[in-house]
Amino acid sequence: GAVVSQHPSWVICKSGTSVKIECRSLDFQATTMFWYRQFPKQSLMLMATSNEGSKATYEQGVEKDKFLINHASLTLSTLTVTSAHPEDSSFYICSARDNSLEQYFGPGTRLTVT
Amino acid sequence: GNSVTQMEGPVTLSEEAFLTINCTYTATGYPSPFWYVQYPGEGLQLLLKATKADDKGSNKGFEATYRKETTSFHLEKGSVQVSDSAVYFCALSDRGGGADGLTFGKGTHLIIQP
Repeated sequence: GAVVSQHPSWVICKSGTSVKIECRSLDFQATTMFWYRQFPKQSLMLMATSNEGSKATYEQGVEKDKFLINHASLTLSTLTVTSAHPEDSSFYICSARDNSLEQYFGPGTRLTVT
Repeated sequence: GNSVTQMEGPVTLSEEAFLTINCTYTATGYPSPFWYVQYPGEGLQLLLKATKADDKGSNKGFEATYRKETTSFHLEKGSVQVSDSAVYFCALSDRGGGADGLTFGKGTHLIIQP
């Protein structure tokens, strides 16, 4: 089946630094990828839709200058959390959509900002 | 925007018991409902879905019927197994087939005891 990977699986960074998270579709091409954020015991919240070769579409309330998304190829989207603060600590999950429009999810990245 | 409400867990059952996890939603337009499952240490996997009213999705012994009149998509299984222990998420797409990002419920942690 379709596999989506994320790297790293967990990361700890200091406040004020930037962190990049990668999302890759390993065995299919994905023109569209989605980024979600999950707080403990909460649901996944859609942050943005990433389209290959164009600008990402952000959900209301998500700062596009803080959460930079780049979808440079059909198998890779990156999320960069800029000038991270402790309140950015969360579980970030990506999904990739194939031609059948089904979404396949990555295992998630745990970000801790100290 | 859309919202999804599902029963909160944890839900603890004995093996071979009957399972129901309720899911209701509020939405505009013509949404499509999904159930995703997350096994420990793994990413979300699509369990089943429906695309139009009264559709019944089924997979691995699980079933859910899309009821527009009650805006519900309850998950059921007649006889659960220990291996069904996981977190189950009800989700909604604005458009049919998951073309958009998904709106998730908070997830229900299911624990099956032998």
